[in-house]
Amino acid sequence: GQNIDQPTEMTATEGAIVQINCTYQTSGFNGLFWYQQHAGEAPTFLSYNVLDGLEEKGRFSSFLSRSKGYSYLLLKELQMKDSASYLCAPMDSNYQLIWGAGTKLIIKP
Amino acid sequence: GAVVSQHPSWVICKSGTSVKIECRSLDFQATTMFWYRQFPKQSLMLMATSNEGSKATYEQGVEKDKFLINHASLTLSTLTVTSAHPEDSSFYICSARDHGQVNEQFFGPGTRLTVL
Repeated sequence: GQNIDQPTEMTATEGAIVQINCTYQTSGFNGLFWYQQHAGEAPTFLSYNVLDGLEEKGRFSSFLSRSKGYSYLLLKELQMKDSASYLCAPMDSNYQLIWGAGTKLIIKP
Repeated sequence: GAVVSQHPSWVICKSGTSVKIECRSLDFQATTMFWYRQFPKQSLMLMATSNEGSKATYEQGVEKDKFLINHASLTLSTLTVTSAHPEDSSFYICSARDHGQVNEQFFGPGTRLTVL
């Protein structure tokens, strides 16, 4: 079957760094997306990895290891507005996104 | 670029009525659109995939006669919740795939449906 495993909730301090891990199992693989979702809103795109390694985009970086079925999202210089849910979504062989429940990130001052 | 709109943003209706939600790609042609439903604190659940000009493909457990999907043009898909009941209250989100980019979906802002 297909599944996603992420921590349910994480807490971090404003200005700090946090890493959100994701392990996945899919039927085929066409890359992995990370989305941010604020409460009551639709997901917004953060990153896409299809090859192994680290992709850096400003304060956010995403890492992928296809052989391990593992990815992480790294958020630096945390701001209060980063409080949201972070969704790891691999894409399967049919180009469908597989969704988990996401990780709720709470930022404290 | 790659903007997807949804209308309405929220809707409140009485039990038994039907509600239509529109999803539009504003600046690209969307050959494929996806409809999701999300209950509070739960993951997005794919309801159906629609391709322009053909019948939608529904996920297991989703009633096709209750959730009518029409994708009549490359920029518009509609979801009609027929005979809505309180248990249909949810956040409905559409996404669209650009004709030339199979790997990315662009999400609409979502529609909050409350059935009384």
